[in-house]
Parts: sequence; structure tokens; C-alpha cells
Amino acid sequence: GENVEQHPSTLSVQEGDSAVIKCTYSDSASNYFPWYKQELGKGPQLIIDIRSNVGEKKDQRIAVTLNKTAKHFSLHITETQPEDSAVYFCAADISGTYKYIFGTGTRLKVLA
Amino acid sequence: DAGITQSPRYKITETGRQVTLMCHQTWSHSYMFWYRQDLGHGLRLIYYSAAADITDKGEVPDGYVVSRSKTENFPLTLESATRSQTSVYFCASSVEDDTEAFFGQGTRLTVV
Repeated sequence: GENVEQHPSTLSVQEGDSAVIKCTYSDSASNYFPWYKQELGKGPQLIIDIRSNVGEKKDQRIAVTLNKTAKHFSLHITETQPEDSAVYFCAADISGTYKYIFGTGTRLKVLA
Repeated sequence: DAGITQSPRYKITETGRQVTLMCHQTWSHSYMFWYRQDLGHGLRLIYYSAAADITDKGEVPDGYVVSRSKTENFPLTLESATRSQTSVYFCASSVEDDTEAFFGQGTRLTVV
């Protein structure tokens, strides 16, 4: 079946440094790649997404890049702040359906 | 209140009992989803629905039943709860496929 692999599972960075989380997907026809942030005790919340016709998208300190040939996409957070500490999930849609497959999550800790 | 709400937030039940988790959204979103979140597995799709009276199985449907008689409600029933169903359950909705999914706050279910 289709799957999404996410790395690393945990990531610690110093405040102000950058953080990068990587995902690979198996369905070459996937078209939509969202990233969700989950804070403790809450449901995941979309922070950025990208579609297959775009290679990069930025929103302030957050950016996502997509390499369709290699079937991987990455989340980049610059100038990290303590409030960026959370669990981040990548996801990819499964072509021909209206469902997503999620990665297993990355716990990001930003050290003050 | 506008949004997506889950109830109860916490539930302890005994093995073999039937339990229903409720999900209600006020946006009239067409698509609704149920996920379970377990350490090391991320978010796994249990069931999903494209509209009232249309439901389909996700990755881990065994032991669960859903219904969607009204657009705004999508209850999840565990017919005979087992300890392996101890998890955090999230309901989500989206206006279209391949768009942002909005998650509820989650229900923490413990089966003893």
C-alpha cells in the first residue's frame, strides 16, 4: 500500500537555528502535500501545504519544498522560537481517493 | 460554537463494551474523517466520508463502525472494545478533497 516516511522522529535545535523535516512518499500520482503542527493536548493544525505543480512555497519563517522526481518534500523552519516546539506531521494524498496518508511525526524541541 | 467538536474528551470503558465517540461540525463540510493516534504510528485513518450516507474504510477499520445520516455528524462506534483500541481519536473535516482538514480536540479512550 501507499506510505509516507518521515524523518527524523525527534529534533532538537537551539533557538534561532533552522529546522528541517523530511518526508518521502510512494504514490507517484500524489498531488497534495500538507504539513500539520500538533501542540500538546490539541488536534493537528495546518501550517502550510504545497501542490505538485509548485516546487517551493514560503510563509514567513516556514517553507516547504517538493521534489516530484525523487518523491520527497521537506519542511524548513528558520529562526526557530520556543513556540515552534510541537509535533509536526507531513501527509500526502492518495491519487484517486479523497484520503491522506500521514507520516509518523517529528517531535521538534526548540531549546532556549 | 462554530468549528468541529468531539465528545467526550476522555472516556474509560471496559473490554467488550460498546462505546460511541461523537463528532460534530458546524461548517457543512462535505468530507469527514476519523483517525487514531498512537505513539510510533502517527495518524492512521479509520473511516472517512465524502457526504451524508457515503462512507468508506481507511487503513485500520476493523472493530469500528461509522454512520453519517446528517452532514454535520460523524459518530464512530467501537462495537466491542478491546485493549488494542486504547488510543487518542481525532475527527476531522474538509470542504473539498485535497484541501485543509480541520481537526477536533481529540478523544482519549482507555479500554481496561
